[in-house]
Amino acid sequence: RKEVEQDPGPFNVPEGATVAFNCTYSNSASQSFFWYRQDCRKEPKLLMSVYSSGNEDGRFTAQLNRASQYISLLIRDSKLSDSATYLCVVNMWMIYNQGGKLIFGQGTELSVKP
Amino acid sequence: GAVVSQHPSRVICKSGTSVKIECRSLDFQATTMFWYRQFPKQSLMLMATSNEGSKATYEQGVEKDKFLINHASLTLSTLTVTSAHPEDSSFYICSAPRTEVTNEQFFGPGTRLTVL
Repeated sequence: RKEVEQDPGPFNVPEGATVAFNCTYSNSASQSFFWYRQDCRKEPKLLMSVYSSGNEDGRFTAQLNRASQYISLLIRDSKLSDSATYLCVVNMWMIYNQGGKLIFGQGTELSVKP
Repeated sequence: GAVVSQHPSRVICKSGTSVKIECRSLDFQATTMFWYRQFPKQSLMLMATSNEGSKATYEQGVEKDKFLINHASLTLSTLTVTSAHPEDSSFYICSAPRTEVTNEQFFGPGTRLTVL
């Protein structure tokens, strides 16, 4: 089983749609969780951290369910510029004590159409 | 904000050549840096952890003699792909945490290696 698994995608949605991405992780001792965005042929960029209480940043809402080992990302009112690959990422910081070892999911591709 | 640079951004070389990739933290010191590899349509896979002043820690399945890592200073880590072959063609990305007590990591822009 992969350490971090995501919806396979791709997701093709019209502008203005709401889209949700799901992610599960296998190690219950994982401590920190993130969503990164990666544009084609570029490095990943941090979109937002994910906290147990849930957090929102504009049109983006992230949720963490530790009991189910499940992470989600909701994008409302999607824009053309949201088209990218979204990576679910777990930080193994506390487990390996190596200053932030990130484990990436395989990514979910989002394409927002006019 | 913190910036991590990589050089070169793109390399095309012949099979059997060794290629060195540099990763620099430009405005902060990094005792630890990470090297990832990404094949087309796949996610980033951690190759190794670069530790300043000590040996790198390699992930399972990554050949340490093929991918040489040197963390010579608090702002520079290098990855050398020795005797590169076409199957080593990939996107190589480094990252560095700003400090060792933060979860925030900064990624370099990546190096695209093509081995002919």
